[in-house]
Amino acid sequence: EDKVVQSPLSLVVHEGDTVTLNCSYEVTNFRSLLWYKQEKKAPTFLFMLTSSGIEKKSGRLSSILDKKELFSILNITATQTGDSAVYLCAAQGEGAQKLVFGQGTRLTINP
Amino acid sequence: KAGVTQTPRYLIKTRGQQVTLSCSPISGHRSVSWYQQTPGQGLQFLFEYFSETQRNKGNFPGRFSGRQFSNSRSEMNVSTLELGDSALYLCASSLGLAADNEQFFGPGTRLTVL
Repeated sequence: EDKVVQSPLSLVVHEGDTVTLNCSYEVTNFRSLLWYKQEKKAPTFLFMLTSSGIEKKSGRLSSILDKKELFSILNITATQTGDSAVYLCAAQGEGAQKLVFGQGTRLTINP
Repeated sequence: KAGVTQTPRYLIKTRGQQVTLSCSPISGHRSVSWYQQTPGQGLQFLFEYFSETQRNKGNFPGRFSGRQFSNSRSEMNVSTLELGDSALYLCASSLGLAADNEQFFGPGTRLTVL
């Protein structure tokens, strides 16, 4: 059965800290991994990763995929209170749009 | 470009009733997927549609059904509602089925079953 596991499930840090969120996956015919940010509404798209070892970057956020070890990380540097949210990782198999989601990491940034 | 829209945004029903939720994808997007989000189970896949065809279905009972129209708009229906169907129902759209087609979510319909 396809599975995505995120860790930690919850993280509390101070503003300005750097955080690393982890995501491991087991998906038949894997083709892409996606990261989303969810505040009190629908998930908003952050990154889609399809190739191993190529870092994707957007401002203070970056993410990388390791297809050999079946995991991805999401880094956030110089965190701000507005980064507080649930971060969701999802994996996608070949030929389908179906996303298998992890449980999410609830990130809280304290001022 | 307008995002994914879902109607209604909030819905309150009682056990045994049925409900229809609607999703309009981003203009030009032909693939629509539905997800159920609950605090206990997280985000779980319901169905996936492309060109009016259901391509994939999650592990939900037959009370959950859906369809897609020729304009790519999609509806999902839940019959004989149960308390456990209370959830946020999210729709996501993507351009097509290619590996680099990102999926974008709508605001969701929050269904409460009393």
